[in-house]
Amino acid sequence: DGGITQSPKYLFRKEGQNVTLSCEQNLNHDAMYWYRQDPGQGLRLIYYSQIVNDFQKGDIAEGYSVSREKKESFPLTVTSAQKNPTAFYLCASSSRTGTSGGTDTQYFGPGTRLTVL
Amino acid sequence: AQKVTQAQTEISVVEKEDVTLDCVYETRDTTYYLFWYKQPPSGELVFLIRRNSFDEQNEISGRYSWNFQKSTSSFNFTITASQVVDSAVYFCALSEAGRRALTFGSGTRLQVQP
Repeated sequence: DGGITQSPKYLFRKEGQNVTLSCEQNLNHDAMYWYRQDPGQGLRLIYYSQIVNDFQKGDIAEGYSVSREKKESFPLTVTSAQKNPTAFYLCASSSRTGTSGGTDTQYFGPGTRLTVL
Repeated sequence: AQKVTQAQTEISVVEKEDVTLDCVYETRDTTYYLFWYKQPPSGELVFLIRRNSFDEQNEISGRYSWNFQKSTSSFNFTITASQVVDSAVYFCALSEAGRRALTFGSGTRLQVQP
C-alpha cells in the first residue's frame, strides 16, 4: 500500500542529545515537509524539500536540520540547540506542481511524539 | 502574510445534531488553496477537501459539506447528522500559489456525545 511512514512513534531524548526522526514515502512524491505541532495549536512548518538534494527552511527551522539524499526519505534531526523540542512531529509529502500551476494536496504520516526528559 | 483563524476552540454536540466549523482566512494573493484536515485521537492528519480560490462552488460529500465565500474570506465546514466517529480535531489550512507549505489554523476540537 502507498503511504507515508514515520518512526519511531514515540521518542524520548535526554537534554543535550541529538535525535533523528525518520520519514519515508512510497507515493513517488517529489515534495516532502516537516511540521511541528504543540498541544492545542496548529501545525508549523520546520523544513520542506521540493526535490532531492534541495531543501528550504520553514517558519521555525532553528535547532533542526534535514537531508534529502533520496526521493523517498526526508529525515529530521532535532539538535541540542532546539530549546523546547517536546512536541508532535508530522511529516507530509505532495506531488510537484502540475501543469495547472496549482498546489498539490499534502498527505501526512502518523507522526512521532518526542519527549525531552 | 497569510493567516487562518478558527475561532471555535472546542465544540460539543449530541449525536445526530448538525455542526458547523468556522474558518476565516487572510491572504494577499488572488490565487490560493484552502484545505480541511481531520486529526483523530491517533494523531494522523486525514485530508478531507481542497478548494481553489477561483472555484466558489460549494461541495457536498455524504454528511460533509463545505461553504466557500470569498466575499467574507470564509471556508466553513458542516457535518450533518454528526456521529461519535466524527469526534476529532479539525484543521483548516491555506496555501498561496508559489508557496508550497500550508498555514494552519489552531484547530477546532469536536466532541460528539452519544
